[in-house]
Amino acid sequence: DGGITQSPKYLFRKEGQNVTLSCEQNLNHDAMYWYRQDPGQGLRLIYYSQIVNDFQKGDIAEGYSVSREKKESFPLTVTSAQKNPTAFYLCASSISYNQPQHFGDGTRLSIL
Amino acid sequence: GENVEQHPSTLSVQEGDSAVIKCTYSDSASNYFPWYKQELGKGPQLIIDIRSNVGEKKDQRIAVTLNKTAKHFSLHITETQPEDSAVYFCAASLNEKLTFGTGTRLTIIP
Repeated sequence: DGGITQSPKYLFRKEGQNVTLSCEQNLNHDAMYWYRQDPGQGLRLIYYSQIVNDFQKGDIAEGYSVSREKKESFPLTVTSAQKNPTAFYLCASSISYNQPQHFGDGTRLSIL
Repeated sequence: GENVEQHPSTLSVQEGDSAVIKCTYSDSASNYFPWYKQELGKGPQLIIDIRSNVGEKKDQRIAVTLNKTAKHFSLHITETQPEDSAVYFCAASLNEKLTFGTGTRLTIIP
C-alpha cells in the first residue's frame, strides 16, 4: 500500500530536550511538507522540500529543523528553542508543488 | 502572503439536507483550491479540488464552486449522511505554499 507513515503517534518531551518526528513516504513524491495544527486552527506550514538536500522555511520555522537526505524521508526535529511545542504535527507529500498533497496521520507531541 | 478565511466555524444539518461551507482568499494570483476532510485523530484527506481555470467541479454528492472575481470558493455537500460528520478545511495555493482556512466542524443530525 502506498502512503505516508508518521511515527510515533504520540510523543512526550521533557523541557530542554530535542525530539525528532519521523515521516516516510513510498509514493515516489518529490515534494514533502511539515505542518503544525493547534486546536481550533488551520494547518500552519513549518518547512517544505521539493528535492533531496534542499528545503525552505515555512511560516513558523523558528525552533524547528529538518533534513532531506533521501527522497522518501523528511524528519522534523523540534528543538528546545521551540517555546510552545505541544501540538499535532502533520507530514504531507505531493508529486510536485501545486499538486494535491497527501497527509500522514500525524504525531501528537506533548510536554512533560 | 495569502490569507484564507473560512465560515462557518461550526455547522449542524439534518441528515439528507445540504451543507455549504464558504472560503475567501486574499491573493488573486492563487490558482489551486483543495478541500480536505479531517476525522478525529487522523490526517486531512483530500476530497475535492479546483483550479483557477474552472468555475465548478462535482464528484458525486460533493461540489466546489470558484468565483475568481470575488476571490471566493465554496464546498457543497448534498444528501448528507452521518459519515459526513468531520472537520473540513479549505486551502489556497500560491506558488509552492498552501494556506489553510481555520476549519468547519460539520455535524450531521440523524
